[in-house]
Amino acid sequence: NAGVTQTPKFQVLKTGQSMTLQCAQDMNHEYMSWYRQDPGMGLRLIHYSVGAGITDQGEVPNGYNVSRSTTEDFPLRLLSAAPSQTSVYFCASSSRDTGFSGYTFGSGTRLTVV
Amino acid sequence: AQSVTQPDIHITVSEGASLELRCNYSYGATPYLFWYVQSPGQGLQLLLKYFSGDTLVQGIKGFEAEFKRSQSSFNLRKPSVHWSDAAEYFCAVGARAAGNKLTFGGGTRVLVKP
Repeated sequence: NAGVTQTPKFQVLKTGQSMTLQCAQDMNHEYMSWYRQDPGMGLRLIHYSVGAGITDQGEVPNGYNVSRSTTEDFPLRLLSAAPSQTSVYFCASSSRDTGFSGYTFGSGTRLTVV
Repeated sequence: AQSVTQPDIHITVSEGASLELRCNYSYGATPYLFWYVQSPGQGLQLLLKYFSGDTLVQGIKGFEAEFKRSQSSFNLRKPSVHWSDAAEYFCAVGARAAGNKLTFGGGTRVLVKP
């Protein structure tokens, strides 16, 4: 099925561990983004990419790295996990040409840092 | 910078009663506006969106929203609530910058009494 695929769906990390949240889309969308969701704060933009090889910071980038080597994939890396990074993470993709018409979210990754 | 305010954190409504969720936004240009719903432990589902044209927008599950430019509002309504409408609702405004960035409100949690 076409869409945005996030893996894993659930993850528990210990403080200081590293991990990568995967995001892949098969709609040939140029734009991809990572958001985190915290109670009472809605979703906030972490990093985004407007094309392969191009990434930029969003509102809450500290503690996260991203790269975009292909159009399809946009992984989010936590280099040294902290309890403050306990959250639900959503990846999204959209087209440069059609903008928000085809804006698609993944199903999310629930991360707990202990 | 854009922002979204959802003044009501929680709303309790009786089944069969009407529901209105408030959303106020701040954005310099003509906004792209969205309402999403999230059931517990689930991802985001798009209820409806406004890009331009008719200011009364119909969505899925019997929801509608009205864009009022003069009030910077995009309130969500449903004439008769069903128990399955118990969820958290998010209003968002989009900008064709930063990779099609969405800015979310903090959410309104809706409880439905039998």
